[in-house]
Order: sequence, then C-alpha cells, then structure tokens
Amino acid sequence: KAGVTQTPRYLIKTRGQQVTLSCSPISGHRSVSWYQQTPGQGLQFLFEYFSETQRNKGNFPGRFSGRQFSNSRSEMNVSTLELGDSALYLCASSLRSGAVDTQYFGPGTRLTVL
Amino acid sequence: QQQVKQSPQSLIVQKGGISIINCAYENTAFDYFPWYQQFPGKGPALLIAIRPDVSEKKEGRFTISFNKSAKQFSLHIMDSQPGDSATYFCAASNNQGGKLIFGQGTELSVKP
Repeated sequence: KAGVTQTPRYLIKTRGQQVTLSCSPISGHRSVSWYQQTPGQGLQFLFEYFSETQRNKGNFPGRFSGRQFSNSRSEMNVSTLELGDSALYLCASSLRSGAVDTQYFGPGTRLTVL
Repeated sequence: QQQVKQSPQSLIVQKGGISIINCAYENTAFDYFPWYQQFPGKGPALLIAIRPDVSEKKEGRFTISFNKSAKQFSLHIMDSQPGDSATYFCAASNNQGGKLIFGQGTELSVKP
C-alpha cells in the first residue's frame, strides 16, 4: 500500500498570504490528523477529520482551518500568514484496529514564511 | 494535564550500548502510548506502542517499559547501532480519535 502523501513538499510564502496544503491518506484510512512541528514547540496537534467531520481540535487560532473530502483526502489552510507559521506541517492517517487508532505520518510540507 | 514530558533532550551512546529515553504524563485518561522515530527530512515513523494493561512490550531490539502508578514509560534500545541515530518522540492519547500529545523529543546519536 502507498503511504501518506503530502503536497507540496516545500513552500515559500510571504507574510499576509494564505496557503493550502494537501494530504492523501493511506487507502482505506478514514481519519486524517494534522500536526505542526517546530524546533521550539515540537509536535503540536492541529485538528483531526473523520468522515468529513472535524472530530478533534487543538489550540491554534482560527487562521488554521481544514477540511476533508468524501475520498478521505484532506486539506489544511492557513490564512494571513505570520513569520511564526514557518514549520513542518505533518499529516497522519489512521485506521482503527480494535481499540487503537494507529497513526501513520506523511513526509510533511515544509512551509517558510518570509 | 495534557503534557507529556520527555528526557533527556539529547543522548550519545556507543555502538552496542543501551539507549534509554524516559517519558512522564499527568492525564490518567491516556490509554495509548506510542513511540515514533524521525530521521531528518522525514515524517515520524511508528516504532512500538503500548497500552496500560501491560507493563512491558518488546519488539526486536526495542522495549517499552510502562509504570502505570508512576505515570511513566520508557523506551529501551538494546545493542544500539549508528543507524538508530535519529530523533525519538514519545506520545500519549486517550484514544478518543487521532489526537496524539507528543513529548519534546530526544536526539539520539550512536557513535561507532
């Protein structure tokens, strides 16, 4: 099976712009979670989508939003970019097995805000 | 209460030695504890995971020890190899969907 894919892999934007990142989960996985990774804050949960509905949300401002499509592919959007939004954005998909949601990560999108 | 504290921040081990990374949590609702390995330029990859109904889980050279009363868990890498040099993250979840709370990470360097 193909793994989680994320596009684009690298992105450079300027302050005030908006950006959309895309994630294709492993085939058959219905849950997609997004994380932000920075050297200072580490890995922080942004939100999770399951069957096109947001199921969990982290502590990020409303500038960060997401959605999921009927084929489980997901997008996240960041509006009015700030310098501090520069980070590696990771997507993970999961398929519940028994009582466990094992998450598999994609390679990430490296966003640089200038 | 949502935090997971990980130590040490960095670790240098000789080839063949044992690497030990520790994590502690506060939220007693957590019931799933995975460890991830991340190489530069890659996403985290699941290494091994444990649930609180067992005190130890072993997969090859990797072992998780879990102490429910102390709210601590640790990763042991036996016979550490230079190829194990990576950043390791512990995480916790209450398994209400896909929300993982990560530790700050440990940068492991295994010297030949």
